Amino acid sequence: DIQMTQSPSSLSASVGDRLTITCRASQSIRSYLNWYQQKPGKAPKVVIYAASSLESGVPSRFSGSGSGTDFTLTISSLQPEDFATYYCQQSYSTPFTFGPGTTVDIK
Amino acid sequence: QVQLVQSGAEVKKPGASVKVSCKTSGYTFAGYYMNWVRQAPGQGLEWMGRINPNSGVTEYAQKFQDRVTMTRDTSISTAYMEVNSLRSDDTAVYYCARFEGAFDYWGHGTLVTVSS
Repeated sequence: DIQMTQSPSSLSASVGDRLTITCRASQSIRSYLNWYQQKPGKAPKVVIYAASSLESGVPSRFSGSGSGTDFTLTISSLQPEDFATYYCQQSYSTPFTFGPGTTVDIK
Repeated sequence: QVQLVQSGAEVKKPGASVKVSCKTSGYTFAGYYMNWVRQAPGQGLEWMGRINPNSGVTEYAQKFQDRVTMTRDTSISTAYMEVNSLRSDDTAVYYCARFEGAFDYWGHGTLVTVSS
């Protein structure tokens, strides 16, 4: 199975901050990497798919990059509605696996 | 619009079984794999497996291979996921999620509580 790690596990940030979350795969997954945002009590929502493609309806302050084993999710200017937990997920091979999550809260 | 509507919360005793449904609308049910993902309280997301609604072929994560069965009824565009021999650590929210390169649509989740 492909193991996914994320860093940091949590962070505190302020509105307007630039934020970067890192995800690493235990082997190359090419660009088969997706990012999800989850708010308490809600289902996850995809924000970035295929490493760098912005899901329809997601604000352009979200961006993704990387390929192979190392990936990043960047939020260019954090907004109040962005405080949530973010998960990366590989769709290169089954079993599909998620990172442990990064919780972004208000400083 | 695409919708995945799941069945309601369940409370089960250890050793029992639970079957969760996921009724879909707004797209061609047979055209997309349906996956099941669970989330234990305060924990992360865990992929359980998937079903090809067109063929009925399933694939399970190894840890669920012996206790989980995924089925579908194409006549009503509904997917099902059954877990047998429930244990306390199966207490979780269970989500169905359509897959199109990513999990692009999710159900609202079904809380299954296992308690004696």
